[in-house]
Amino acid sequence: AQSVTQLDSQVPVFEEAPVELRCNYSSSVSVYLFWYVQYPNQGLQLLLKYLSGSTLVKGINGFEAEFNKSQTSFHLRKPSVHISDTAEYFCAVSPQYAGGTSYGKLTFGQGTILTVHP
Amino acid sequence: DTEVTQTPKHLVMGMTNKKSLKCEQHMGHRAMYWYKQKAKKPPELMFVYSYEKLSINESVPSRFSPECPNSSLLNLHLHALQPEDSALYLCASSTGQGVAGNTIYFGEGSWLTVV
Repeated sequence: AQSVTQLDSQVPVFEEAPVELRCNYSSSVSVYLFWYVQYPNQGLQLLLKYLSGSTLVKGINGFEAEFNKSQTSFHLRKPSVHISDTAEYFCAVSPQYAGGTSYGKLTFGQGTILTVHP
Repeated sequence: DTEVTQTPKHLVMGMTNKKSLKCEQHMGHRAMYWYKQKAKKPPELMFVYSYEKLSINESVPSRFSPECPNSSLLNLHLHALQPEDSALYLCASSTGQGVAGNTIYFGEGSWLTVV
């Protein structure tokens, strides 16, 4: 089984400031990692993913995340935020089972609400 | 822009009604999913369809009945729901193949209110 902990439920920040949203996970098997964003009253949009390769992944809207296997973390960062980044952000993992039997089995964290103030 | 389209966006139904949520994807994906998201909570997996066959049912009550008529369409039939079933229902899809199959793309969701 997997579990995901997003260490901050709410992060307030001023426009143009940097931000880091923290995510730690626990799993008995290797996992794939994802960050999704949910704007008010909307569905989930994929921000970025780590499937393999470089541990530093870049996503849409200027976001990036770094996979740290030893610390079981996948923190999301942006060097300069905009008002339009105000949303809820979900970290998620899915297990690397053989044969694709893990498809769709995303385990989400509880979410971090990012509020960007002018 | 999402390529997973859900209708209707909002649905209000009584506890004795029968209604359906519909989902369509245009990415050629062969795996489709239903997730449920209660207010202020993360999404939770309900059903997985792989190559039009139901492969996972996460112990969902029988008042929710999924259907996959073809590789592009996914329905969720609703009958005799309870007020606690009110939630955002999210449809999603993935390629269903290889490592890339683990990347899930979500639709905008259908907001369901049971009265």
